[in-house]
Amino acid sequence: GQQVMQIPQYQHVQEGEDFTTYCNSSTTLSNIQWYKQRPGGHPVFLIQLVKSGEVKKQKRLTFQFGEAKKNSSLHITATQTTDVGTYFCAPSLDSNYQLIWGAGTKLIIKP
Amino acid sequence: DVKVTQSSRYLVKRTGEKVFLECVQDMDHENMFWYRQDPGLGLRLIYFSYDVKMKEKGDIPEGYSVSREKKERFSLILESASTNQTSMYLCASSFGGGGSYEQYFGPGTRLTVT
Repeated sequence: GQQVMQIPQYQHVQEGEDFTTYCNSSTTLSNIQWYKQRPGGHPVFLIQLVKSGEVKKQKRLTFQFGEAKKNSSLHITATQTTDVGTYFCAPSLDSNYQLIWGAGTKLIIKP
Repeated sequence: DVKVTQSSRYLVKRTGEKVFLECVQDMDHENMFWYRQDPGLGLRLIYFSYDVKMKEKGDIPEGYSVSREKKERFSLILESASTNQTSMYLCASSFGGGGSYEQYFGPGTRLTVT
């Protein structure tokens, strides 16, 4: 089926450093959702992006949707221990299609 | 708050057993989903349902079946469990279909088949 590439698979950062995960598709996307899964938990919805070039912010989190609607990114400024977890992108090709899940990027805070 | 519950957090079954995983949501959502999650593979859709008694295959339906007799309940059935079905199973629900609505997840069932 349709694939999305999410990179990197893991990112180790010192607390206070920034973190970014990228989601790329070879096909134009209808929209994209982002989820966070804490260790031992279940995915929790963060945000949905719909428009080309859209940028949305949630406190220290910045979400972007590419101009061509083929890629997206999530950037966290000044990471905190509460940010630890795996971040998934989940785009859709069409409003009638189900979500396509990326493999996730695991954010690890170095002790 | 939307609540999605799953019948078990942990389950251990033997190869060849029939396994039932139950999921219940309390927000009158139309759509319900079953995923399995394996390290490095993200979430893979097994089946989904957009209405009572309706079901659609996802990406990996082989070895699984589902049942939705009531709107709030969606069951995943492993007809004859095999070791390669050892995984985390996540149920989710959403108000509408496709990729336009956020999905709410249950806590997951970690199934081990020995």
